[in-house]
Amino acid sequence: DSGVTQTPKHLITATGQRVTLRCSPRSGDLSVYWYQQSLDQGLQFLIQYYNGEERAKGNILERFSAQQFPDLHSELNLSSLELGDSALYFCASSVISPTLSHEAFFGQGTRLTVV
Amino acid sequence: TQLLEQSPQFLSIQEGENLTVYCNSSSVFSSLQWYRQEPGEGPVLLVTVVTGGEVKKLKRLTFQFGDARKDSSLHITAAQPGDTGLYLCAGAFVGLGSQGNLIFGKGTKLSVKP
Repeated sequence: DSGVTQTPKHLITATGQRVTLRCSPRSGDLSVYWYQQSLDQGLQFLIQYYNGEERAKGNILERFSAQQFPDLHSELNLSSLELGDSALYFCASSVISPTLSHEAFFGQGTRLTVV
Repeated sequence: TQLLEQSPQFLSIQEGENLTVYCNSSSVFSSLQWYRQEPGEGPVLLVTVVTGGEVKKLKRLTFQFGDARKDSSLHITAAQPGDTGLYLCAGAFVGLGSQGNLIFGKGTKLSVKP
């Protein structure tokens, strides 16, 4: 158990809909990352938050947004869903050390299926 | 664009064989991690390397960080079926803009047959 909790584990929804994925980081971790993993694209970085503030942005679509709340949990919102958005969505948390060792601990993921 | 290339993409071997997978980039890493992922699960951290030339051993797994901190390798000795999984390397890059996020390679899918 990594200590990172993601809900729901599975989600099936129709095209055009909007969903929210939730992540609770490990106790004490200030940084939260969201990744998308599909069969042909590997693990793609979407966005990172650190202590409530957006820290870095990857290949995140404009239809997707995220936020980190004061209690450090994070939500990833996916809207106007398309078939191609079907993927595993992972949340990870870490503490950024002074040596810049960014060790990430992953949740078990949310498998999103858009039909 | 900072890229991490892993090779081979797929590897199928018999139990007891040795193997090496590689992770390469044209950029310098401030640190590099190796993860193992099983189907339907999140990646699990195996090791972090920080110093150029560093070698770390984890039972039958040996991790090496290149002197220039641009590449890394994972060597497994006497592979077992339990080693089956997707092996991912991830790097945090030196310089502005890394901001703490990790860049992942696409992974090496290892299958060890009994």
